[in-house]
Amino acid sequence: QKEVEQNSGPLSVPEGAIASLNCTYSDRGSQSFFWYRQYSGKSPELIMSIYSNGDQEDGRFTAQLNKASQYVSLLIRDSQPSDSATYLCAVPTSGTYKYIFGTGTRLKVLA
Amino acid sequence: GAVVSQHPSRVICKSGTSVKIECRSLDFQATTMFWYRQFPKQSLMLMATSNEGSKATYEQGVEKDKFLINHASLTLSTLTVTSAHPEDSSFYICSASGLAGNTDTQYFGPGTRLTVL
Repeated sequence: QKEVEQNSGPLSVPEGAIASLNCTYSDRGSQSFFWYRQYSGKSPELIMSIYSNGDQEDGRFTAQLNKASQYVSLLIRDSQPSDSATYLCAVPTSGTYKYIFGTGTRLKVLA
Repeated sequence: GAVVSQHPSRVICKSGTSVKIECRSLDFQATTMFWYRQFPKQSLMLMATSNEGSKATYEQGVEKDKFLINHASLTLSTLTVTSAHPEDSSFYICSASGLAGNTDTQYFGPGTRLTVL
């Protein structure tokens, strides 16, 4: 059974701090990794994708991938109350486009 | 780019009726579309995967005769909930993949909230 694991939280950080969200996956053959943000009552929206080991930055967001450790993370710098949401880690099943989702980490940014 | 729409956004129906939900990729051709269901405070649950012109592949435990999926074109998939019952009340979300250069990325529609009375 291929798995993606996340700490469900809630993770509480003060406004302006760095929020660090973590995800581990079991399938060593996985090649691509996605972070989605889901506000309560809304559908997921894509934040970032990452394919290669190392860091990838997009504005206040940085995705980090370590395939050897089977670990992908999302850093949110200068966290804002509007970042309060559930963050989903998604990993396509090898050979398909079907995602395995983590349970999501609920982030609360305190004003 | 990569916009996915769903219609309707919200529907209320009586028990025993059928409801059709449309999912459209507005600016790309979606080779694969996915249908999810999400109950309050729970994770997304994949119901089925559909490819244009072929039968949908349903996840274990999802009744294919109750949740009819048609992927008629590269931009349109429909989910019909047949003989709906109150336990079918949920948030139904589609996603589409196939955008050139990002073929493994799923782009989600805004979702359809179904309430069955």
